[in-house]
Amino acid sequence: DTEVTQTPKHLVMGMTNKKSLKCEQHMGHRAMYWYKQKAKKPPELMFVYSYEKLSINESVPSRFSPECPNSSLLNLHLHALQPEDSALYLCASSLRDPLRGPREQYFGPGTRLTVT
Amino acid sequence: DAKTTQPNSMESNEEEPVHLPCNHSTISGTDYIHWYRQLPSQGPEYVIHGLTRNVNNRMASLAIAEDRKSSTLILHRATLRDAAVYYCILKRSSNTGKLIFGQGTTLQVKP
Repeated sequence: DTEVTQTPKHLVMGMTNKKSLKCEQHMGHRAMYWYKQKAKKPPELMFVYSYEKLSINESVPSRFSPECPNSSLLNLHLHALQPEDSALYLCASSLRDPLRGPREQYFGPGTRLTVT
Repeated sequence: DAKTTQPNSMESNEEEPVHLPCNHSTISGTDYIHWYRQLPSQGPEYVIHGLTRNVNNRMASLAIAEDRKSSTLILHRATLRDAAVYYCILKRSSNTGKLIFGQGTTLQVKP
């Protein structure tokens, strides 16, 4: 199984709502990532989790709150978002090589978020 | 992080080889050259990576210049399914797993 799944596929939320994005992988990968991709732009890294601990936060606003409850799951909790946060949110995972560090990343299909 | 430069777009005919160039003149000795592609309405997909030597896999070949300041991704026989945005990324050999995507090259494949 080389698949990263993301739910929901689409999400529309108001600026006062609280919602969560979910990502799951069963490849035994111990590094997981959240990226944000605006239309016609490249993906931008938001967070990196390594062995279920947050290792990188790319100065993301606190209205985005990541969580890694176990080695297979990654959540992104959303609260009080702005319309400019509308984007495709991509999750990825990678194997961690003890010598070389994280290997190639496997991406999910993304959740398309619209903030109204 | 070292930067890569790629053409904005390229065109190819189906069943012909495609050479996608990438310049990375500020590459450091510990930077690996990674290629990912993103098909329409999908997440990025790993294609290939290398450090110094040319690499081949089932998807593509990667040719790396001797001075490592440029590289070329080679698709040996383009298919319509290869139409995508191709990203050339320098990844430092570290434990962060951090990928910094550039603008990429949009490849169109004509039947």
